[in-house]
This record gives sequence, C-alpha cells and structure tokens, in this order.
Amino acid sequence: NAGVTQTPKFQVLKTGQSMTLQCAQDMNHNSMYWYRQDPGMGLRLIYYSASEGTTDKGEVPNGYNVSRLNKREFSLRLESAAPSQTSVYFCASSEVRGEKLFFGSGTQLSVL
Amino acid sequence: RKEVEQDPGPFNVPEGATVAFNCTYSNSASQSFFWYRQDCRKEPKLLMSVYSSGNEDGRFTAQLNRASQYISLLIRDSKLSDSATYLCVVNQYQGAQKLVFGQGTRLTINP
Repeated sequence: NAGVTQTPKFQVLKTGQSMTLQCAQDMNHNSMYWYRQDPGMGLRLIYYSASEGTTDKGEVPNGYNVSRLNKREFSLRLESAAPSQTSVYFCASSEVRGEKLFFGSGTQLSVL
Repeated sequence: RKEVEQDPGPFNVPEGATVAFNCTYSNSASQSFFWYRQDCRKEPKLLMSVYSSGNEDGRFTAQLNRASQYISLLIRDSKLSDSATYLCVVNQYQGAQKLVFGQGTRLTINP
C-alpha cells in the first residue's frame, strides 16, 4: 500500500519556467490537498479538493493552479515560477476534510 | 495573534527525561485537535488525536484545555528516536472545515 505518492522529490527551476507537481493516492480518499512549508511557518494550504472535479483556494493560492484529474490524482502547476515559490511542497489526502491527513514525501523546489 | 502558536524551541533534553510542550489556539470554535510528528526532511505523520477527556498512547499523553484554549503533549521516558519536530494542528470550522498548523516545536533528545 503506497499511500500518497508525490513526484518529483527535488526540482530546480529558473524564474519564469513552469512545472507540474504530481500527486496520487491509493486510499480511496475524497479530500486532497496541496501545502507548502517554509522555515519558521506552519504548513500553509495552497489548494484543496473535496472530490473529483472540484477545487477550492486555500490560504496562499496565488501563482498556482490545480487539477483534480480523478479521485486518485491531484496535480499542482506553477505557470511562471518565482523565487518566492521556493519551498517544500506536500500533497496530502484524507477521507473527509478536517480529519487525519496522510502526506506524500514532499517536493523540495528551488526557483533561481 | 497567530491562529495556532507553538514555542519553536529547540528543546534539548536528556534521554529518559519527561518533556512537555503546549500549543495555544485563538478560535474558540475549534473542533478537533491533533499532534503530528515530522522528522527532518520528511513528511508529517499523525502522532495522535487529542480528545476532550485527554488521551494516552504509550509514553505520550495529549490533553485539551478548552477554557484556556491550549493543547499539550507530554512525552515520558524520552528516547533518542523521539527527536523530531512536533506540529500542533487545529481543525477550525469557518464555513468549512479548516486545518491550521502551528509552526512546530523542535525536540532533540540527547544521549
């Protein structure tokens, strides 16, 4: 049972480049999330999806887009990367919103 | 005031000691509470949920004080493997369920 699988683990981008972070879960969870974690700050929610085809903005959505392709997959896209988006990104899922979260192993992203 | 506040530490304690840390939250309508553990460069993992009556899991005890709006985590007989960052997470209802993370408390257990 893989849980939440997130790729890539590391990525270096130049300012203005685009990329997509992939996330998939095999626990049949309805809710999926994208968080970013920065030093000295708690995890902050970027986007949330309650079910296939629905997405909602979180606390820090600017500069990101998401896609809930199906129940398993939830991708995060940076259209034009900026240095302020240098961070560690975590995908997570839960059976229902507000309950126990299962996290992917994270993506360390650097934007130069 | 931050929605969820934790002392970032670091807490350095000797192996075998008892250590406790608190987390305060600002929203009195908060509904559920959790402690997560995060090892260096790893993802957070649920350590335990915090129930109104308090709960214990082996060497770990979590308590909730709604009147003073804080939760606590007590670790007894600490082990080297307990070294990690402990994240306090509060589920607030603001039109929808919203999980708010504290910045974490870093704990190092020394031999």
